[in-house]
Amino acid sequence: DGGITQSPKYLFRKEGQNVTLSCEQNLNHDAMYWYRQDPGQGLRLIYYSQIVNDFQKGDIAEGYSVSREKKESFPLTVTSAQKNPTAFYLCASLAGGPNYGYTFGSGTRLTVV
Amino acid sequence: DQQVKQNSPSLSVQEGRISILNCDYTNSMFDYFLWYKKYPAEGPTFLISISSIKDKNEDGRFTVFLNKSAKHLSLHIVPSQPGDSAVYFCAAQPGNTPLVFGKGTRLSVIA
Repeated sequence: DGGITQSPKYLFRKEGQNVTLSCEQNLNHDAMYWYRQDPGQGLRLIYYSQIVNDFQKGDIAEGYSVSREKKESFPLTVTSAQKNPTAFYLCASLAGGPNYGYTFGSGTRLTVV
Repeated sequence: DQQVKQNSPSLSVQEGRISILNCDYTNSMFDYFLWYKKYPAEGPTFLISISSIKDKNEDGRFTVFLNKSAKHLSLHIVPSQPGDSAVYFCAAQPGNTPLVFGKGTRLSVIA
């Protein structure tokens, strides 16, 4: 069954810690994306990658880092430099054409404690 | 600067009636528009899309209308069902670049 798997579903982070959110897809999609959702803010783009070993910053990349060493995997690290990391994080990959849009994972809720 | 705007944060509709969700955009380079549906604590799911060369696309109970001159699109759901209660996001794509999302409209369908 093809899809995108995000783990963990819930994550708690202490102040000053880095944490890494996992995103794995078995859809053979080239492009992958990370969005952040905050209440009333919609989905804001953090980073995206259109091909292995290449990625670009989105609108709110500060305090985040990514890697794309394998086509299937696009992990997101939330660093201690991210001032307000508590949010719902969504990973997505792009289907064959724009008319089908993205396939999203089920998300990770990150909370700073 | 918001390129995709959903000015109504919420909408309540009675079951069986029509739901109309609106979206405005500012970038005339957008060539594809999509609607996503999202339940709490889940990822959005693709609902329907429309190319900028069309003015209407229909899929079952869902119809999207595009008015390019007004830079406006709308999603019609007829008839509305309680299971349609969710947050709906409008999204737009300028060429081969990431989707730009609106802030969403929370639809409540009342039985």
